[in-house]
Amino acid sequence: DVKVTQSSRYLVKRTGEKVFLECVQDMDHENMFWYRQDPGLGLRLIYFSYDVKMKEKGDIPEGYSVSREKKERFSLILESASTNQTSMYLCASSLGREPQHFGDGTRLSIL
Amino acid sequence: RKEVEQDPGPFNVPEGATVAFNCTYSNSASQSFFWYRQDCRKEPKLLMSVYSSGNEDGRFTAQLNRASQYISLLIRDSKLSDSATYLCVVNGAGGSYIPTFGRGTSLIVHP
Repeated sequence: DVKVTQSSRYLVKRTGEKVFLECVQDMDHENMFWYRQDPGLGLRLIYFSYDVKMKEKGDIPEGYSVSREKKERFSLILESASTNQTSMYLCASSLGREPQHFGDGTRLSIL
Repeated sequence: RKEVEQDPGPFNVPEGATVAFNCTYSNSASQSFFWYRQDCRKEPKLLMSVYSSGNEDGRFTAQLNRASQYISLLIRDSKLSDSATYLCVVNGAGGSYIPTFGRGTSLIVHP
């Protein structure tokens, strides 16, 4: 069974901090994704990676960056956290056009 | 026009009822179709893939109508535990590996 592991379930940070969210998958999937989900807005894609060191911007990349140095790990970085980045962050991985598998999510609060 | 549209609901049904959701998509070149289930404050989980021939998994039946560009999910004999948000997902248009999510349909099954 595919396992996607996110480093934290809950995280509280302060405005202006640099925040790292880590995601690891164990199924050798090429594709990895970072989403945020807010009430009434559905899932919104922040960044997507289809290979090591490759990345593409999603719908809402502003204020975020990503890193994929190894195939199994995809990191989301909030360069300078702001209160409007308080949200649920979801990592997913997939093989080709097969269904995505999601991690448990990280509930991030920026104070 | 949104790429993937769903009625947000909520659909409020008694136990034992049959309920159906539709989802329309705008890109006729889409190739893969899925239904996900998301419980409150949890990650989306794959419920089933949707094939042109239709497919069934226990009480759940999914169908794809390419001509009219919609997919459907039918739940028979609803259980309290079916209460969740159901997300329609469409993938593969134009060779893309980035799926498009609907905003979800909320189902509440009451005693």
